[in-house]
Amino acid sequence: EPEVTQTPSHQVTQMGQEVILRCVPISNHLYFYWYRQILGQKVEFLVSFYNNEISEKSEIFDDQFSVERPDGSNFTLKIRSTKLEDSAMYFCASGQGSGTQYFGPGTRLLVL
Amino acid sequence: SQQGEEDPQALSIQEGENATMNCSYKTSINNLQWYRQNSGRGLVHLILIRSNEREKHSGRLRVTLDTSKKSSSLLITASRAADTASYFCATVYPSGGSYIPTFGRGTSLIVHP
Repeated sequence: EPEVTQTPSHQVTQMGQEVILRCVPISNHLYFYWYRQILGQKVEFLVSFYNNEISEKSEIFDDQFSVERPDGSNFTLKIRSTKLEDSAMYFCASGQGSGTQYFGPGTRLLVL
Repeated sequence: SQQGEEDPQALSIQEGENATMNCSYKTSINNLQWYRQNSGRGLVHLILIRSNEREKHSGRLRVTLDTSKKSSSLLITASRAADTASYFCATVYPSGGSYIPTFGRGTSLIVHP
């Protein structure tokens, strides 16, 4: 069964450094999403991406964040200058619109 | 807030018992989804129920939706220790063409063997 994959599974970085989180969505999906979950808290929507552009973003998704689909398979989330409060689990998801979203296993980001 | 809110926040039962979790929301939805999350892991989709549906089944799972009360319930029958996880409802409403599921805080279910 096809699944969403994410790399790396864990990332430790110093405050102020740039990080790139990678995702490979399910191949025939058209909608792509990033979410984050701070430890012990709910899953929060960051951004959705469709037709090679951002279709929706939350207040969390400020200028420090960017997304890209550099080729036909990868979908990346970049954080330009990480802050301590960016420490969280980041989930990528893909779907075909209004139906089910399929989530990846997540990348645990720790900013020191 | 348009997010669904689960109730109870925590539920502790014995193996074999049924577990019922509820979700309430505030605005009209396109569909509502239930997810499971094991500790420190990703989200696993369980069931999607559309706004024109009232009940759906999947194995030991039963989901109901009452749009007049803006509420949904997830019933896990004959629970097992492996069902121990957090369960989230996610309300989905159309927003500029993107159907963004908005997650609640979840119900933490513990099933004692």
